Amino acid sequence: DTGVSQNPRHKITKRGQNVTFRCDPISEHNRLYWYRQTLGQGPEFLTYFQNEAQLEKSRLLSDRFSAERPKGSFSTLEIQRTEQGDSAMYLCASSLARPVGPYEQYFGPGTRLTVT
Amino acid sequence: GENVEQHPSTLSVQEGDSAVIKCTYSDSASNYFPWYKQELGKRPQLIIDIRSNVGEKKDQRIAVTLNKTAKHFSLHITETQPEDSAVYFCAASLRSNDYKLSFGAGTTVTVRA
Repeated sequence: DTGVSQNPRHKITKRGQNVTFRCDPISEHNRLYWYRQTLGQGPEFLTYFQNEAQLEKSRLLSDRFSAERPKGSFSTLEIQRTEQGDSAMYLCASSLARPVGPYEQYFGPGTRLTVT
Repeated sequence: GENVEQHPSTLSVQEGDSAVIKCTYSDSASNYFPWYKQELGKRPQLIIDIRSNVGEKKDQRIAVTLNKTAKHFSLHITETQPEDSAVYFCAASLRSNDYKLSFGAGTTVTVRA
C-alpha cells in the first residue's frame, strides 16, 4: 500500500494517560499535516510540517499536544495528560510541495482515540 | 481565518437522479477548493478540486462549479449510484496559507436503490 498509513488505528486510554500516534506519509511527499475530526464534523487543521520543520500550529493544539517529524519522513503526535475532550479521530495527510501551490492533500485512515 | 459553510447536511436521492451540494466561504483570498468523499470508517478521499482561475471542472459523473463573486462553490453528481452514498466534505484554502484546509461540516448523501 503506497498511501498514507497511521498507527494505531484505534486507541482507548484512561484520562490522564499519555498517548502517541504515528503517521507514515506517501514516500515522496515532503509536507505532512495533522487534523482532528469529531463526530459529524469536518477535519480541523492542527499542524503541518515541511520536511522536518513544523511551520504552523493551530490554537486547537494546546500545550499538551506535541508533534514531531525528526527526519522529514514519519511523524508522531503525542497527547499528554489526555482529557475526555480529546476523544476524536486524528487524521494525517501528506502532499508534495511544488514551486506553485496549492497542493493536493491525501489522507490516512486515521487513529480513533477514546478517552475514558 | 477561513470559514466554510456547507448545505445541506443530509441529502437523499433516487438512484439515477442528480445530487448537488453547495458551500460558501468567507475569505475572498481563498483560491483552492477540494472536495472529499468519506465512506463510513474510511479515510477522506479527494474526488475533485478546483482552483480560483477556473469556473468549472468535470470528471466523469462529478463536476464542481465556482462562483468567486458570490464566494460559493458546488459539487454536482449526475446519474447517482448506490456507491455514491457517503459523507462529502468541501474545503477551501487561502493563497497565503495554502497548506491549511478549512472544511465544511459535511453532507451525508444517501442514494436510494
